[in-house]
This record gives sequence, C-alpha cells and structure tokens, in this order.
Amino acid sequence: AQSVTQLDSHVSVSEGTPVLLRCNYSSSYSPSLFWYVQHPNKGLQLLLKYTSAATLVKGINGFEAEFKKSETSFHLTKPSAHMSDAAEYFCVVSPVAGTYKYIFGTGTRLKVLA
Amino acid sequence: ETGVTQSPTHLIKTRGQQVTLRCSSQSGHNTVSWYQQALGQGPQFIFQYYREEENGRGNFPPRFSGLQFPNYSSELNVNALELDDSALYLCASSLDVGVPEAFFGQGTRLTVV
Repeated sequence: AQSVTQLDSHVSVSEGTPVLLRCNYSSSYSPSLFWYVQHPNKGLQLLLKYTSAATLVKGINGFEAEFKKSETSFHLTKPSAHMSDAAEYFCVVSPVAGTYKYIFGTGTRLKVLA
Repeated sequence: ETGVTQSPTHLIKTRGQQVTLRCSSQSGHNTVSWYQQALGQGPQFIFQYYREEENGRGNFPPRFSGLQFPNYSSELNVNALELDDSALYLCASSLDVGVPEAFFGQGTRLTVV
C-alpha cells in the first residue's frame, strides 16, 4: 500500500529563518512526489515535483526538496521564510501507474512570525 | 492561475438533495480527477476520467458519479446529499493519464445543511 506521512501538523518559524517541513512516504513502485501549497480559501498550487530525475528538486518561491530513497523521505526546505509563506503544505505521492491518483498527507500548517 | 476553472465557487444544499459541480480542464489536458477535502484534512481521491471513461475510483459510494465530455470538461454529481458531504471539492487536470503532474482548480465549497 502507498502512503505519505507528514511528521508535523504545525510548524512555526520566524521571518527570515529556515523552513523545514518533513514528509515520509511508502510506495511499492517508483513514486512521483510533489509538494503543494494551499493558502486560506484557495485551491492547491504546485510548489515542486520529483519524477525520478534529479534527487534535489527546486521549486517556486525559493523552495526545494530532496528525494532520499534510503530514508523514504521528501522533506521541503526554504532558506529564509517570508510572511507570505504562511499556508498549508501538502506532501503528495502518486504511485499508481495508469491511474495517477494522488495520495495526500494530512498537511502541515506553516506559521511565520514577524 | 492554472487554467482549471470550477463552478460554482460556493453553494449550499439541503440534506437529501442532489448537486452537480463543474470543471473545465486546462487547455490540451485530457485527464480530470476529482478530490474531496473535508475541513482540516488532506484531499481524498474520488475518481479520475480519461477520454470520457472512468479510470480509477477511490473509496466513495456510488452516489458520487461523474462525467467527462468530448471537450474534456467534467462534472461531479452527488445524489442524496449527507451532512458529511460538506467539503471543498477540487478538480485537477493532467496533460495525459500517463503524466503524474496535476493542476488544480480553486475548488467548490459545498455546504450541506
């Protein structure tokens, strides 16, 4: 069975400090992995994706994530948080060939303190 | 903006009624998936349509049904609404069924009273 676990439901950081949102996955197949962000009352915006190319993936707004197969992890990082980064972040695994249904984590709410 | 548009943005229905939600996929995309996001939770996969045929279904009862049209737009129909159906319904389109990247619309907020 495929699954994804976001290890923190809430993360608080000060503006200008690094961000780390943790994600572990389980997949029998070679997965595609994504991070999406959801601002209040908005849809989902793709931050970055891993689809079996480079293991260090750069996304929009300064975010990046590293795929570590040995640790089954895909943590999201950003060197310096901005107030506008405050949102809900979802780690997603898409493991099923032929039907690319997404399996979402439960989300991490990022709070950025002034 | 992703180019995926959903309508309506909000609606309120009474328990037992039926509802139809609509989604226009991004230009050139032939695959549409629907997700239900209950308050405070991650989205859950309802089903996927590829070239007008259902191509996978999540753990949702048959009263959740869908359609995809020749222009690849899609509808989600829910019959016999229950209070627990209150959620944000998200539509996502993909270039093709073999392409994992999906682009989401803004969602339809359904409230069942």
